[in-house]
Amino acid sequence: AQTVTQSQPEMSVQEAETVTLSCTYDTSESDYYLFWYKQPPSRQMILVIRQEAYKQQNATENRFSVNFQKAAKSFSLKISDSQLGDAAMYFCAYRSAGREYGNKLVFGAGTILRVKS
Amino acid sequence: NAGVTQTPKFQVLKTGQSMTLQCAQDMNHNSMYWYRQDPGMGLRLIYYSASEGTTDKGEVPNGYNVSRLNKREFSLRLESAAPSQTSVYFCASRYQTGPSYEQYFGPGTRLTVT
Repeated sequence: AQTVTQSQPEMSVQEAETVTLSCTYDTSESDYYLFWYKQPPSRQMILVIRQEAYKQQNATENRFSVNFQKAAKSFSLKISDSQLGDAAMYFCAYRSAGREYGNKLVFGAGTILRVKS
Repeated sequence: NAGVTQTPKFQVLKTGQSMTLQCAQDMNHNSMYWYRQDPGMGLRLIYYSASEGTTDKGEVPNGYNVSRLNKREFSLRLESAAPSQTSVYFCASRYQTGPSYEQYFGPGTRLTVT
């Protein structure tokens, strides 16, 4: 079974600075998808960024980018020019490209990001 | 387009009581999911429905039942609530079972069982 590990329960960053959230995963599959979700205090789960395992190029969405290291099974999220609105819980998630459990998401435990003004 | 909606947003139950959490989506999605979120554990899959008329167990199905009423609606029932079921419950939906489509989440239901 796949597992996702987020080793940083909490991180802090100064406004306008850059922060990197870590994620590692364990799988025997070669084809899969990785995601970062943001959960603000409202509880709403918001997709931040997605990476297909077969793509070598790291995904980027505005101030958010990932460092995907397939061999190391590492998928970190970099937030540049941090803003107060970035403060939230961030979840790393894995999804198999197969159909086990209807393509369920496997989540890490989450990292709380605090942004200081 | 409301996306994924869940009712209620908050609920307090006594041990042994029953209740149904409602979920509906208006995006014509085929697949729907129920997850629970507990501190330090992320979200875990309870049940899912790959398409209308089918339901299957996820990782943590004990103590729950589900009904896929139609394509739009997927409910989660607790027959006899236990304190261990205190959690935040999320419903999600997805266009189809296949590799590339993302899941969309509802706002969650915070359930407390005393």
